[in-house]
Parts: sequence; structure tokens; C-alpha cells
Amino acid sequence: ETGVTQSPTHLIKTRGQQVTLRCSSQSGHNTVSWYQQALGQGPQFIFQYYREEENGRGNFPPRFSGLQFPNYSSELNVNALELDDSALYLCASRPTTRRDIYNEQFFGPGTRLTVL
Amino acid sequence: AQSVTQLGSHVSVSEGALVLLRCNYSSSVPPYLFWYVQYPNQGLQLLLKYTSAATLVKGINGFEAEFKKSETSFHLTKPSAHMSDAAEYFCAVSTKGNDMRFGAGTRLTVKP
Repeated sequence: ETGVTQSPTHLIKTRGQQVTLRCSSQSGHNTVSWYQQALGQGPQFIFQYYREEENGRGNFPPRFSGLQFPNYSSELNVNALELDDSALYLCASRPTTRRDIYNEQFFGPGTRLTVL
Repeated sequence: AQSVTQLGSHVSVSEGALVLLRCNYSSSVPPYLFWYVQYPNQGLQLLLKYTSAATLVKGINGFEAEFKKSETSFHLTKPSAHMSDAAEYFCAVSTKGNDMRFGAGTRLTVKP
């Protein structure tokens, strides 16, 4: 069984550019969440996708957007990059069967984004 | 809304000593609680989780945590530290259908 994978591993962009990060969820997992982890801090929730729709969002501006595809893989897009966007971006997936049951999520290794 | 507070951004212990990492949570509904470990340049690995079953939860690598509702705590312990335990540890809270909120993390250093 393949776990959560993310690409690319590292990325360097300049301020004002746009970036797309990709995540392949674990087999059978229909829910994907994205987190931003700045250096020396805990992960911060960006948003969650379930059945190709965003169904939860943290305190991030609209220039952070995402997509989920029919195969449950996902993209995180960030427009107009700022220096403070430099961070490790983590993707996590889990199966959602019923809302009254919590299913554990599994994390990918992350994409390290550096904005110069 | 739920949140967690990790007390102590850095904990240092000697090899073989007790490890105690502190976490307090805030939640208006029954929470799910988690401890994750992160090694340098890696993602998060689940150590253990509390999902309203037994209050004493045993995890991987000899770690365990006890859910104490009266103290709103979920502290992580290990009886005897090993050099390989040196890493960043994160406490997290979630509720049914909701996202996960992480603490700021505690860096554990193990001295020989």
C-alpha cells in the first residue's frame, strides 16, 4: 500500500510568483488536508477537500487555493507569493466514511518552499 | 473552537531518564487527541491517539499518554529516553468532522 506522496520535495520561487504543490493521497482515502509549517512552528491548517469540494478552511487568504481530483489527489496553489510563504507544506489524507466516526489522517513528507 | 498548548518549547533529558512532554487542550466538545513526532526534514509520524476509549493510551517506541479530563491534559511520557528519541514532538486536537489543530511543538534533546 502506497502512503501519501508529495511533489516536488523542494522548490524555490521569487516573490510575486505562483506555485502549485501536488499530493497523492493514500489508497482509499477520500479526504485531503493541507497544512503550512513555518520554521520552528507547528503545522497550521490551510484547508480540507472531500469529494472534490473544499469543506473546511483555516485562516489563510484567498490566494491560497486548492483542487481535488476524482482520484482524490490534490493540488495546493499559492498566488502572489510573499516571503512569509516560505515553509514546509504538508498534505494529509484519511478516509471519511461517516461524520460521526473519526478516521486517522496520514501525512506525506512535505514540500519545502523557499520564497526569495 | 479547539486548541492545544504545549508547555516548554525545549526539553532536555539524559539517556535513560524519564521523558515528560506536556500538552493541555481546550475543546467545547469531546476531543480526539494526538501526539506526532517529526524528525529533521521529514513529515509527521503518529505516535499515539486518544479517541474516547481507554484514557491511558500506549503508542509506538515505548511512548504513552494519559487523557485527564479534569485537568484538560494529555501529557506524553516514556520511562527511559533513548538517543533516537531526539526529535520535535507535536500535540494535536481534533473533533468529529473537523480539522486538526497543532501545538507549537516541543524539541526533545537526549544527552548521552
